[in-house]
Amino acid sequence: KQEVTQIPAALSVPEGENLVLNCSFTDSAIYNLQWFRQDPGKGLTSLLLIQSSQREQTSGRLNASLDKSSGRSTLYIAASQPGDSATYLCAVRGRGNMLTFGGGTRLMVKP
Amino acid sequence: ETGVTQTPRHLVMGMTNKKSLKCEQHLGHNAMYWYKQSAKKPLELMFVYSLEERVENNSVPSRFSPECPNSSHLFLHLHTLQPEDSALYLCASSQDSGQNYGYTFGSGTRLTVV
Repeated sequence: KQEVTQIPAALSVPEGENLVLNCSFTDSAIYNLQWFRQDPGKGLTSLLLIQSSQREQTSGRLNASLDKSSGRSTLYIAASQPGDSATYLCAVRGRGNMLTFGGGTRLMVKP
Repeated sequence: ETGVTQTPRHLVMGMTNKKSLKCEQHLGHNAMYWYKQSAKKPLELMFVYSLEERVENNSVPSRFSPECPNSSHLFLHLHTLQPEDSALYLCASSQDSGQNYGYTFGSGTRLTVV
């Protein structure tokens, strides 16, 4: 059974810092990995999708990397802003086409 | 809006009520999903409709009943719920025949059972 872990569970940083969120998964037989953002009480917004054959994807200040063989992904946020405060979720699509989620990292960026 | 629309956004219901959650997608996807998000727990997959075939998580109680009349619409029928069923219910869609696709989520329905 696929298990996805995200570290840290919570993170508080001052505005302007560069930061890294970590995601690990136990079964490397995945099709893709997706990073989502969730604001309190809201749905999930897709940030980046990395195919299993890719090493990284970039969108603006966000960069996600994937090392499938070691079962790891990182989400790098450059020059963090208060508007980046949210919960960030990592999810892998694997056997049976199912999406398995990590527990999320709750990020607070202080002005 | 993401292309996946959920209604209602908020729902308060008594334990003896019957209600339904609705999800609609106009992305041309052929798979739809119901997820449950409880406080401090990872998202839990409840039901999958892929190419009109249903797959379910065997741990979901029978008081939750999904319906997928076509590839664009998905319902979750609720009856005799318990207070512990209070949660955010999220609908998602994807293109199941192409594993390279990601998932698109709706904004969710915040359900409170009183």
